[in-house]
Amino acid sequence: SQQGEEDPQALSIQEGENATMNCSYKTSINNLQWYRQNSGRGLVHLILIRSNEREKHSGRLRVTLDTSKKSSSLLITASRAADTASYFCATDAYNYGQNFVFGPGTRLSVLP
Amino acid sequence: SAVISQKPSRDICQRGTSLTIQCQVDSQVTMMFWYRQQPGQSLTLIATANQGSEATYESGFVIDKFPISRPNLTFSTLTVSNMSPEDSSIYLCSVLGDRVYEQYFGPGTRLTVT
Repeated sequence: SQQGEEDPQALSIQEGENATMNCSYKTSINNLQWYRQNSGRGLVHLILIRSNEREKHSGRLRVTLDTSKKSSSLLITASRAADTASYFCATDAYNYGQNFVFGPGTRLSVLP
Repeated sequence: SAVISQKPSRDICQRGTSLTIQCQVDSQVTMMFWYRQQPGQSLTLIATANQGSEATYESGFVIDKFPISRPNLTFSTLTVSNMSPEDSSIYLCSVLGDRVYEQYFGPGTRLTVT
């Protein structure tokens, strides 16, 4: 399958520190997206990076994509307690249409 | 963006019964998706529901267990039939936004089967 896989599975940091999460996938993709889920609620779209892009920024978020390594990273700078959530990457492949495959997620805890 | 609501938000059901989950969108959308998220796990796509056609189910999911209706462009239902404790999960519906590759998710329905 071309499932995205995140690491680490869980991450605990202090408020103000940076948090980095990684995602790997197996097949060629059109896009890769990152989502946040607070405490078992619905997912919120954070950022999309296209296969021809290498880096993208949105506020305190920075996403990189390395298609040669089939990996992406999400960096949250100056973390806040409100960033505590699970973060998922989602990929869609050329042959997979508009269906997305979600990775297992990283549970981030930001301690005050 | 799309605003999505789901009903019920949570339910506790007995083994062998069925539960129908409703998903309402504030705008007309062609494609709606139903996902299952088992405790502590990621999301797994159950099916894609297009208005006016039969839902397309992913491997491991069948219509008899998860019948879906899509009567119009703003509404869909997912029924979890003949439930067992293994069906305890969060069920989420989603739609594609104007930016085709961005999905908007409902708040989810937390189902516990006893």
